[in-house]
Amino acid sequence: QVQLQESGPRLVKPSETLSLTCAVSGDSISGYLWNWLRQPPGKGLEWIGHIFYSGTTNYNPSLKSRVTFSVDKSRNQFSLKLTSVTAADTAVYYCARGRGRAWFDPWGQGTLVTVSS
Amino acid sequence: QSVLTQPPSASGTPGQRVTISCSGSSSNVGTNTVNWYQQLPGTAPEFLIYSNNERPSGVPDRFSVSKSGTSASLAISGLQSEDEADYYCASWDDSLNGPVFGGGTKLTVL
Repeated sequence: QVQLQESGPRLVKPSETLSLTCAVSGDSISGYLWNWLRQPPGKGLEWIGHIFYSGTTNYNPSLKSRVTFSVDKSRNQFSLKLTSVTAADTAVYYCARGRGRAWFDPWGQGTLVTVSS
Repeated sequence: QSVLTQPPSASGTPGQRVTISCSGSSSNVGTNTVNWYQQLPGTAPEFLIYSNNERPSGVPDRFSVSKSGTSASLAISGLQSEDEADYYCASWDDSLNGPVFGGGTKLTVL
């Protein structure tokens, strides 16, 4: 059974870079799309983008200028970097395996990242 | 402002049938499949049901979906207290070249 676990700093200062890693267990990272999504407190879901195990990426245009994904096949994990963060980037960040278009299964448990000085 | 439109809330009593709508456009719901996610309080979303009514193991057949044109619906029959959750629809958007979500519907079991 595939499991995903997000990790990274829970508090980031404004204008700095948010960095998260998603560790995949129970299956190889190869052969799937790996997604990052976020959910601001009390609000809905937003897709940030995805990365294929080969390194090919596709980012949400609204975040594209600030987002970078990477994949580490040797560690079976993938990562997110979001630069120049503001309070609007405060959210629960989820990683999820992509099984098709708009088909995310499973999801990580999520990690709340707060942007504050 | 979400790309797909869902009612913010829905409710029903145990045993009732409830439907949740998801409205989009020709670039998403009108031409692509719609998937649904369930988010129980304080937990991560989980894939609930695919557009062809395929469900992960463990999801009861009380949950069903339909689609017509640029609108889709999730129906829950025999409503149970454990169904109280937020429900999200999602579809691929050809203009965005990525997935889009509805704003979510909070289902209350009275």
